[in-house]
Formats: sequence, C-alpha cells, structure tokens
Amino acid sequence: QVQLQESGPGLVKPSQTLSLTCSVSGDSITSRGDYWGWIRQHPGKGLEWIGYIHFTGSTYYSPSLKSRVTISVDTSKNQFSLKLTSVTAADTAVYYCARVPHADWFDPWGQGTLVTVSS
Amino acid sequence: QSVLTQPPSVSGAPGQRVTISCTGSSSNIGAGYDVYWYQQLPGTAPKFLINANGDRPSGIPERFSGSKSGTSASLAISGLQAEDEADYYCQSYDSSLRVVFGGGTKLTVL
Repeated sequence: QVQLQESGPGLVKPSQTLSLTCSVSGDSITSRGDYWGWIRQHPGKGLEWIGYIHFTGSTYYSPSLKSRVTISVDTSKNQFSLKLTSVTAADTAVYYCARVPHADWFDPWGQGTLVTVSS
Repeated sequence: QSVLTQPPSVSGAPGQRVTISCTGSSSNIGAGYDVYWYQQLPGTAPKFLINANGDRPSGIPERFSGSKSGTSASLAISGLQAEDEADYYCQSYDSSLRVVFGGGTKLTVL
C-alpha cells in the first residue's frame, strides 16, 4: 500500500523559496503511468492544484503558479520535490503531495504539511 | 472563485440521503471529462471517494454513489451517518487549466 509523506521547513521568509519533498513508500515512483503531484489548501479554504510530474520528467503546472513552480523527481530516493519561488504571505497553506494515477485523480494523499510565510 | 461550483453546505439527518452537486462548463465536465470526489474529515488530508462512473476504491461504502449529466456531477450519500460529517470536493480536468477543484461542500449531519 503506497504511502506519501511530506517534509520541509514549516516557516519560510517572504521573497525566499519554499522547498518541500515527498517521500513515497510501498511502491516505486517509476511504476505504471502514475504521475506524482502537489496540491495546497489555504487556511480554511478549498483545494488548489499546483502541478504534477511523471518519473520520465514530464511535468504539468497550474497556469496561475507556473512562473514560480518547479517539480522534480529523484527516482534513486523514490522522492519528488516542490520548489516555489518568491513566496509571499499568500503562499501560506497546507501543502499535500499525492499520487496521480494516469494524471487523472489524486490517491492517496500525504498527511500534509503547513508552511507559513512570515518574517 | 472556483471553476467548479459546489454548494457551500448541505445537511441531513442520520439515515437520510443527501446529494452534493458540482457544476462546471463545456471546458471541463461538459466536455466529457470524468469527475472525482474527495472527502476531507476535520483535520485530515483529503481522501479519494468515488468517480462519476461510480467506481470506488476498496473500503469506500456503497452508500456513496456518483453520477454525471451534461455540465454537472453529483455525489449522493445514502443512509447518512455521523461519521460522514466532512468537507467534500469535486475535481475534474479542464481543457485550459488542466486540473480544477470545486470550492468544497461542508456536510453537517443533524
């Protein structure tokens, strides 16, 4: 049973880069046609898709975040990562990673990690 | 403002049946793309529930069903239980934005 776990700093200063890693266990990140994605949820708000990646390097990003987002994959560590540059308080959110079968739906999800942007 | 529109809240008594709608447009649901539903219990991560074809992952009760028609989709929950109290989100593919979510619906079990 695949499990995902987010990790990274819980506090990032404005204008800096937010960096998170998602560790995948119970399955290989290179298996099948799965993509691996990031979603965020602002406090008390709904879900916002950030982007996803295939182990071959194929990536898709939300148009609203595309200029600031990079998602990468490390097959040797069975991990994938998120970088979001030039953060502001508006980027404060819980960040989730998830498997994206066939680039369609998100299942399962990691437990999420709260990232606060503040000086 | 979300691309997919959901009612902010719905409620029902235990044992009742409730439905949650998800309205999109011709660039997403209306274009024939599938719709997926997620349940987010308080303080937890979202969990995939069902798609509009009614396909559920193992462990999801048959009380949850999905459907789609035109530019809208619906999640129905029958035999409502206290443990169903949660936020529910729909998600689909959009020809311009790729992945879109609904704004979420808070289900209250009376």
